[in-house]
Amino acid sequence: KQEVTQIPAALSVPEGENLVLNCSFTDSAIYNLQWFRQDPGKGLTSLLLIQSSQREQTSGRLNASLDKSSGRSTLYIAASQPGDSATYLCAVLRIQGAQKLVFGQGTRLTINP
Amino acid sequence: KAGVTQTPRYLIKTRGQQVTLSCSPISGHRSVSWYQQTPGQGLQFLFEYFSETQRNKGNFPGRFSGRQFSNSRSEMNVSTLELGDSALYLCASSLGAGTSVMNEQFFGPGTRLTVL
Repeated sequence: KQEVTQIPAALSVPEGENLVLNCSFTDSAIYNLQWFRQDPGKGLTSLLLIQSSQREQTSGRLNASLDKSSGRSTLYIAASQPGDSATYLCAVLRIQGAQKLVFGQGTRLTINP
Repeated sequence: KAGVTQTPRYLIKTRGQQVTLSCSPISGHRSVSWYQQTPGQGLQFLFEYFSETQRNKGNFPGRFSGRQFSNSRSEMNVSTLELGDSALYLCASSLGAGTSVMNEQFFGPGTRLTVL
């Protein structure tokens, strides 16, 4: 059974810092991995998708890496801003054609001005 | 391009009632998945529909059901509501087939269900 863990559960940093959020999964046989952002009471916004054959993906100040062999992914946020405050979730897709994402519990990020 | 829409956004029901939630996917997407989000359990997969057929199902009781129409819009139904069904219900759409990128899922704003 695939399990996804995110550490830390919460993180508070001053504005401008670079930071790393961690995601680990127990079964390395994944099809892809997605990082999402969720604002309080809202839906999920897709940030980055990494295919199983890729090592990393970049979008603006965000960079996500994937190491399937160790079952880990990291989300790097550069030059953090107060608007980055949200809960960040990683999710793995196990099998092509089976749209069942398995989510971690998320990291609640607070950027202090 | 319009995103995933869900209606209604908020619902208040009492125990024993039933409820129907609706999801309209992004135009051209054929897969719709439903998830339940609670503070204790996080995000859990309910089921997925692709081209009007249920393709995957999570570990939820039979009170939770769904369907998909020919235009890919989907509905989920919960019968005999229990207090523990209070949650944010999210739907996600994707192309649902083909390459890995085509399986990227896009979520709607959710329906907040409160059971009293």
